[in-house]
Amino acid sequence: GAGVSQSPSNKVTEKGKDVELRCDPISGHTALYWYRQSLGQGLEFLIYFQGNSAPDKSGLPSDRFSAERTGGSVSTLTIQRTQQEDSAVYLCASSLAQGRSSPLHFGNGTRLTVT
Amino acid sequence: AQTVTQSQPEMSVQEAETVTLSCTYDTSESDYYLFWYKQPPSRQMILVIRQEAYKQQNATENRFSVNFQKAAKSFSLKISDSQLGDAAMYFCAYPQGGSEKLVFGKGTKLTVNP
Repeated sequence: GAGVSQSPSNKVTEKGKDVELRCDPISGHTALYWYRQSLGQGLEFLIYFQGNSAPDKSGLPSDRFSAERTGGSVSTLTIQRTQQEDSAVYLCASSLAQGRSSPLHFGNGTRLTVT
Repeated sequence: AQTVTQSQPEMSVQEAETVTLSCTYDTSESDYYLFWYKQPPSRQMILVIRQEAYKQQNATENRFSVNFQKAAKSFSLKISDSQLGDAAMYFCAYPQGGSEKLVFGKGTKLTVNP
């Protein structure tokens, strides 16, 4: 398991349904990030975990979005009552240590399509 | 608000030629790191190069180098001897002051013509 793993790769859901996106970081990486990338846009920060706690969740767009991390490892991003504007690629990244010099290692993302 | 600006939505270059992608940023900090990431069609973001603002020497990684102008808050990426595999989206990023989150520019789509 060399890299950050995200599942599913693609998810199509109907408006109003709940979805869960999973991220499995690199073993030993204490920091974990979720970003959202809309078509033709840069990356929008959603939330950051250090261990199991989330010191910065300032980027979550609404209370329909939540995330948790358990055991200092796997993280789940949950979107409730999905809307069409939630359609985007959701990227997860991890880094070895807290610190602004540590590069992020990204997964391949989950493409979410809300119909 | 601290921002990162990439003024070139798209760039193209001939194979084996050199291309420079521009990035400017806004920060009030004196020491920080800057990053360039590459995103090929596979969607996975890959670190290309990293620069510490404290160091005056420009970072270099094989064919990739930066032109870091701290006073001008400019952080350009130069790709020498461009290869077809360099075709991708390129994002400039830096950690927002006082936080752990990376702020990204909107990206530059690089096309490499054979």
